[in-house]
Amino acid sequence: GIQVEQSPPDLILQEGANSTLRCNFSDSVNNLQWFHQNPWGQLINLFYIPSGTKQNGRLSATTVATERYSLLYISSSQTTDSGVYFCAVEDYGGSQGNLIFGKGTKLSVKP
Amino acid sequence: DGGITQSPKYLFRKEGQNVTLSCEQNLNHDAMYWYRQDPGQGLRLIYYSQIVNDFQKGDIAEGYSVSREKKESFPLTVTSAQKNPTAFYLCATSHIGGAGGELFFGEGSRLTVL
Repeated sequence: GIQVEQSPPDLILQEGANSTLRCNFSDSVNNLQWFHQNPWGQLINLFYIPSGTKQNGRLSATTVATERYSLLYISSSQTTDSGVYFCAVEDYGGSQGNLIFGKGTKLSVKP
Repeated sequence: DGGITQSPKYLFRKEGQNVTLSCEQNLNHDAMYWYRQDPGQGLRLIYYSQIVNDFQKGDIAEGYSVSREKKESFPLTVTSAQKNPTAFYLCATSHIGGAGGELFFGEGSRLTVL
């Protein structure tokens, strides 16, 4: 099945710094989402982005489907950005609705 | 208040007991899903349902059962056959059942088996 790899696994930032999180996937996808999991476990949708570029405030994401990767940019990071960021994909040959999750990037933003 | 409601948020059970986790949604989404998350890991799909009275196994369905009698509800039963049931369980919905649907998650239920 499709493999999803996220990097880096851990990231520590000073408040105000910028960062780039990467998601590589091993096959063509028809669904890619980025989530933020807060300390209470809630998964918050950040982007639904199987291709192209989107921006939402300080966050933006780019997926280059032909090269099988997606990037999540966080600018001017804040302590509330801390948590785990997951990339999840659904491949064309997989079970419908079966998002395959990466292991996440754990982000800690220090004041 | 719109959204996905999971209950209970925390649950403790003795080994050998079946437990049922509730998931209710008022988003009018067709598809509903159950995922399991273990510490330090991503999520894995247990079961999903695209229409009422129909559901499909995901990657780790053994030891679990579900029902979909109403569009709004998709309860998950963790049976005594599940060998390692302690985990964080997340329910999700999507408007488009199947390929390309954006998923939305509830707040989760944390099950601990003693």
